[in-house]
Amino acid sequence: EAGVAQSPRYKIIEKRQSVAFWCNPISGHATLYWYQQILGQGPKLLIQFQNNGVVDDSQLPKDRFSAERLKGVDSTLKIQPAKLEDSAVYLCASSLRLAGDTSYEQYFGPGTRLTVT
Amino acid sequence: DAKTTQPPSMDCAEGRAANLPCNHSTISGNEYVYWYRQIHSQGPQYIIHGLKNNETNEMASLIITEDRKSSTLILPHATLRDTAVYYCIVKRTGGFKTIFGAGTRLFVKA
Repeated sequence: EAGVAQSPRYKIIEKRQSVAFWCNPISGHATLYWYQQILGQGPKLLIQFQNNGVVDDSQLPKDRFSAERLKGVDSTLKIQPAKLEDSAVYLCASSLRLAGDTSYEQYFGPGTRLTVT
Repeated sequence: DAKTTQPPSMDCAEGRAANLPCNHSTISGNEYVYWYRQIHSQGPQYIIHGLKNNETNEMASLIITEDRKSSTLILPHATLRDTAVYYCIVKRTGGFKTIFGAGTRLFVKA
């Protein structure tokens, strides 16, 4: 089966510019996640969708970051305006998990490496 | 969700077993132990998970102590391709958030 797809793989922008990342999860996966991974650290969850509803966005900097999941499938993550500290790899993941399941596993895409100069 | 503690790095000789420890002394009864790994320039990959019994799959074995305060991931015959960062995560039943720590960087040497 096809894995989680992300694009672009690399992006370089100047600070104060805007950028958008796209994610296509594994077919049939109800839950989609966006993570931010700064060099040398583990991934940090930014937002989690269950179908097209937001389950957790407590660590999403909402003044500059936004995300949507239209029709419960593809998702986009946007940063506007970007700051230097946003330089990181942005990972998308999906899982079959439904609310209340006792266990699950996440499948990750290859990530988008963002450099803000 | 309980916090985990892992050594920052470990070495292992190719062909030998790699034993990666994880301490989760504050784990509660409804929390599972998950292991993921991340090979350079790739997204994390699920390895295995367990509640209290030892688990084995085609990739690894997970040994959880009887008091559940620690666990060990075992790669029985490490290869150079197993060089990666290994993350131990504790997550409660029905909980939404997966919290990754810094993990253990495993170097498999020829």
